[in-house]
Amino acid sequence: DIQMTQSPSSLSAFVGDRVTITCRASQSISTWLAWYQHKPGKAPKLLIYRASSLESGVPSRFSGSGSGADFSLNINNLQPDDVATYYCQHYSTFPMSLGQGTRLEIK
Amino acid sequence: EVHVEESGGGMVEPGRSLRLSCTASGFAFADYALSWFRQAPGKGLEWIALTRSKIYGGAPEYAASVKGRFTVSRDDSRSLAYLQMNSLRTEDTAYYYCSRGSTVTGAKYYSDSWGQGTLVTVSS
Repeated sequence: DIQMTQSPSSLSAFVGDRVTITCRASQSISTWLAWYQHKPGKAPKLLIYRASSLESGVPSRFSGSGSGADFSLNINNLQPDDVATYYCQHYSTFPMSLGQGTRLEIK
Repeated sequence: EVHVEESGGGMVEPGRSLRLSCTASGFAFADYALSWFRQAPGKGLEWIALTRSKIYGGAPEYAASVKGRFTVSRDDSRSLAYLQMNSLRTEDTAYYYCSRGSTVTGAKYYSDSWGQGTLVTVSS
């Protein structure tokens, strides 16, 4: 089974900052990677699929990159509404799996 | 507008069964997979099961943590998916989410629309 490891586990930044969350797979997953945003009490939201494709309606401040085993999610011009937990998920094979999550806060 | 919504959560004793439902609207339900995820208290999201569209054979997939105890099914005529949970354990306590699975290959699925979840508590 493929394991997904995210870093950092938590992150605090100022409004307007650029933040980066990284995700590493235990083996190559090509670009079969998605990023989700999850706010407490809300439905998780797809941000990025196929490692770098922006889901419709998601602000262009969000971007994804990477291939093989190493990936990153970048958020430019951090906004208060970005406070959430972010997850990467591989969908290369079954079983699918997610990283442990990165909690993002505003300073 | 695409919408999925879970229902059927509640409190149940260890060893008992519970069936969750996922109601979908706003898209051609039969053409899509449905995935189930869960989030235990203080933990992250965990994928647990998927039911494919009959276009791609309809075979289900399960995580090891639920295989043999949980069963996914679907009623395309009613745009409903189900998660039958048997032999429940205290560690199955979690919010359970259903999501629409999108694919271009029929073999690789990401979740592009999610429900808000339903809480299952397994306790004596």
